[in-house]
Amino acid sequence: DTEVTQTPKHLVMGMTNKKSLKCEQHMGHRAMYWYKQKAKKPPELMFVYSYEKLSINESVPSRFSPECPNSSLLNLHLHALQPEDSALYLCASSHGGGRGETQYFGPGTRLLVL
Amino acid sequence: GQQVMQIPQYQHVQEGEDFTTYCNSSTTLSNIQWYKQRPGGHPVFLIQLVKSGEVKKQKRLTFQFGEAKKNSSLHITATQTTDVGTYFCAPDTGTASKLTFGTGTRLQVTL
Repeated sequence: DTEVTQTPKHLVMGMTNKKSLKCEQHMGHRAMYWYKQKAKKPPELMFVYSYEKLSINESVPSRFSPECPNSSLLNLHLHALQPEDSALYLCASSHGGGRGETQYFGPGTRLLVL
Repeated sequence: GQQVMQIPQYQHVQEGEDFTTYCNSSTTLSNIQWYKQRPGGHPVFLIQLVKSGEVKKQKRLTFQFGEAKKNSSLHITATQTTDVGTYFCAPDTGTASKLTFGTGTRLQVTL
């Protein structure tokens, strides 16, 4: 199974809402990632978890809160977002988080903040 | 930080024509990956290049890593409509876990 799944596929939320994005993989990977992608731009790294510990936070605003309950699951909790946070949020996983590892991406969640 | 530019930004070809995208770095790279993202889709890994001057082929796709390991290219021979999408290079940043994507080249193929 080389699939990374993400739910929901689409999400519309108001600026006062709290919501969560979910990501799951069953490839036995120990590194999981959150990326943000705006239209016609490359994905931008937000967070990396390696062996269930947060290893990279790319200075992401605190209104985004990641969580890694176990090695297969990754969540992104959203609170008090701004309209400019509307984007495609991609989850990815890789073997262990070492240099140059292939990353496997999920289909993404398209988020619209009103 | 590392600057990774891809050219062209966009190319529109007729089916059967060839296509090349170039990835240029200001620093020497230890390795580089290439990903393809179809419209409305997610990035999918294509290949990884590690050695100076390396050339790898996947059917109609040819990937090259420059001798100085500062640039890379992807060439598609005889494009098909299935090649439509955005092609990203993703060089090793030198930091474990961290993949930085190039600016991307969007390819449109028409009949």
